[in-house]
Amino acid sequence: NAGVTQTPKFQVLKTGQSMTLQCAQDMNHEYMSWYRQDPGMGLRLIHYSVGAGITDQGEVPNGYNVSRSTTEDFPLRLLSAAPSQTSVYFCASSANRVMGGYTFGSGTRLTVV
Amino acid sequence: AQKVTQAQTEISVVEKEDVTLDCVYETRDTTYYLFWYKQPPSGELVFLIRRNSFDEQNEISGRYSWNFQKSTSSFNFTITASQVVDSAVYFCALSEYTGANSKLTFGKGITLSVRP
Repeated sequence: NAGVTQTPKFQVLKTGQSMTLQCAQDMNHEYMSWYRQDPGMGLRLIHYSVGAGITDQGEVPNGYNVSRSTTEDFPLRLLSAAPSQTSVYFCASSANRVMGGYTFGSGTRLTVV
Repeated sequence: AQKVTQAQTEISVVEKEDVTLDCVYETRDTTYYLFWYKQPPSGELVFLIRRNSFDEQNEISGRYSWNFQKSTSSFNFTITASQVVDSAVYFCALSEYTGANSKLTFGKGITLSVRP
């Protein structure tokens, strides 16, 4: 089925470990973004990309890296996990970042101990 | 900077009651889009509606209706005759038309509990 695929769905990390959250879409959307969801905070933008080779920071980028080598993939890297990064992470894509029509992945629940 | 405020954090109603979820936004742009998303207990984000800044007509979809008022910068969502399946977190979001920097900003969400 067409859509946004996030892997893994669940992950437990130890403080200081690194990992990559994967995000892939098959809708040929130019715009992709990563959000984190924390209780009482809504969804906050981490990084976004307007096309292959172009990325930019969102509201809460510290501790995360992204790259966009292809239109389909937009991985999120945690360089050195911290307990403050315990959250649910959502990847989203859209053909038009203003008009919306955002498609969200099913989320990755990350716990850092 | 764009901002979305959902002042209500939790609402609890009994089934069949009507409930209104409030959303107030701030933007400097004259062109923007407003959205509502639903997040049921299963966790996925479900798109409900999009409204552009030039269309102030209210919209009704079944038991759902939306009231967009530019004069008060509000985009409120009403569920008529609520059902248990409406229990979810509801997010209001704003997207400004600012070219390369355009992004989708969410409010903090309203947790709606509908009791049988």
